[in-house]
Amino acid sequence: DSGVTQTPKHLITATGQRVTLRCSPRSGDLSVYWYQQSLDQGLQFLIHYYNGEERAKGNILERFSAQQFPDLHSELNLSSLELGDSALYFCASSVDQKGGQYEQYFGPGTRLTVT
Amino acid sequence: GENVEQHPSTLSVQEGDSAVIKCTYSDSASNYFPWYKQELGKGPQLIIDIRSNVGEKKDQRIAVTLNKTAKHFSLHITETQPEDSAVYFCAASIRNSGYSTLTFGKGTMLLVSP
Repeated sequence: DSGVTQTPKHLITATGQRVTLRCSPRSGDLSVYWYQQSLDQGLQFLIHYYNGEERAKGNILERFSAQQFPDLHSELNLSSLELGDSALYFCASSVDQKGGQYEQYFGPGTRLTVT
Repeated sequence: GENVEQHPSTLSVQEGDSAVIKCTYSDSASNYFPWYKQELGKGPQLIIDIRSNVGEKKDQRIAVTLNKTAKHFSLHITETQPEDSAVYFCAASIRNSGYSTLTFGKGTMLLVSP
């Protein structure tokens, strides 16, 4: 158990809908990273938040957005869903103090199925 | 941006044999290289990592080597066991505005047969 929690575990929804995925980082970790894992694209970095502020963006679609709250949990919002958005979504957390390289620990993921 | 290539995509070995997975990266500024193990239905689990100021690191049956000149790094698993069967991902980390992002390889499915 990495200490990172994600809810829900599974989500089935229809095209055009909007969903919210939730992540709670390990105690003491200030950074949350979101990744998308699909069979053809592998693990793709989406976005990084540090202590409530967006720090880096990867291959994140404009239909997707995220935020990190004062209690450090994070939410990933996916809107106008398409069939191709079906994937596993992982969050990872890290201590990430400035100036260092710190390990990222992954949560168990949310499996999103868009029908 | 950074690009990480990983080989092989699948690897089958007999229990007790060694397994080697290789990765290359493109950006010479990358300086942190973790390896993750992902079992079916679970999230990636960090198993070992290496930083660019070190050439080799060992932890029991697993070891990682790094060749900065050639820009490649490898995972070595000795005395493989059936519970080592999983998908393994390498990654390279590049700093951006003081923080790091990971770029992953496509993964290697390791199957250890009893």
